[in-house]
Amino acid sequence: NAGVTQTPKFRVLKTGQSMTLLCAQDMNHEYMYWYRQDPGMGLRLIHYSVGEGTTAKGEVPDGYNVSRLKKQNFLLGLESAAPSQTSVYFCASASSSILIRDSLFRPQHFGDGTRLSIL
Amino acid sequence: GENVEQHPSTLSVQEGDSAVIKCTYSDSASNYFPWYKQELGKGPQLIIDIRSNVGEKKDQRIAVTLNKTAKHFSLHITETQPEDSAVYFCAASIPKIYNQGGKLIFGQGTELSVKP
Repeated sequence: NAGVTQTPKFRVLKTGQSMTLLCAQDMNHEYMYWYRQDPGMGLRLIHYSVGEGTTAKGEVPDGYNVSRLKKQNFLLGLESAAPSQTSVYFCASASSSILIRDSLFRPQHFGDGTRLSIL
Repeated sequence: GENVEQHPSTLSVQEGDSAVIKCTYSDSASNYFPWYKQELGKGPQLIIDIRSNVGEKKDQRIAVTLNKTAKHFSLHITETQPEDSAVYFCAASIPKIYNQGGKLIFGQGTELSVKP
């Protein structure tokens, strides 16, 4: 089972360059998320999507854009990379089918990350 | 804003001992609390979770307790083994973001080292 696949696994960029990180999931999940992980700060939500064609901002969206043109793919773009964006990026997905009483929560399944260094 | 504090940041135990990691959340409306284990070079993996209508949940050597009044929850690992060595993250759901994908706020992580 592939689950959540992130490409590339590693990348080094120069300041000002652009790039796109790809996340693909084969679990038919409706919800997808992009996080960044920095030492001592846990995982912080960048952007997320509740379905094909929809995206929304998370905690730290500045400097990033996303697109969800297909249900199985969620792309994270850096238009002009900055050293502050050096981080490990994780994608996650979740199903919408779990409903407990009157609140919604869904276990998130994570990819193995993309380690991005910006010089 | 919503916040989750996790302690300790590092924890070292001898094999066979117990390990306890504690988290405190700020939003009293939070109602779902998962714990993730992250091994080196891998993404976080869900190991156990608890809903706010439950005070304790066990799964073999792992247990989670929740104190809603104090707004804190804890992960307990008994009979630790070297393969338990990893970074552990707690998280809390933000139910105000209803119908928007179950947004999670994560703690800062605890690096657990189990020495043989």
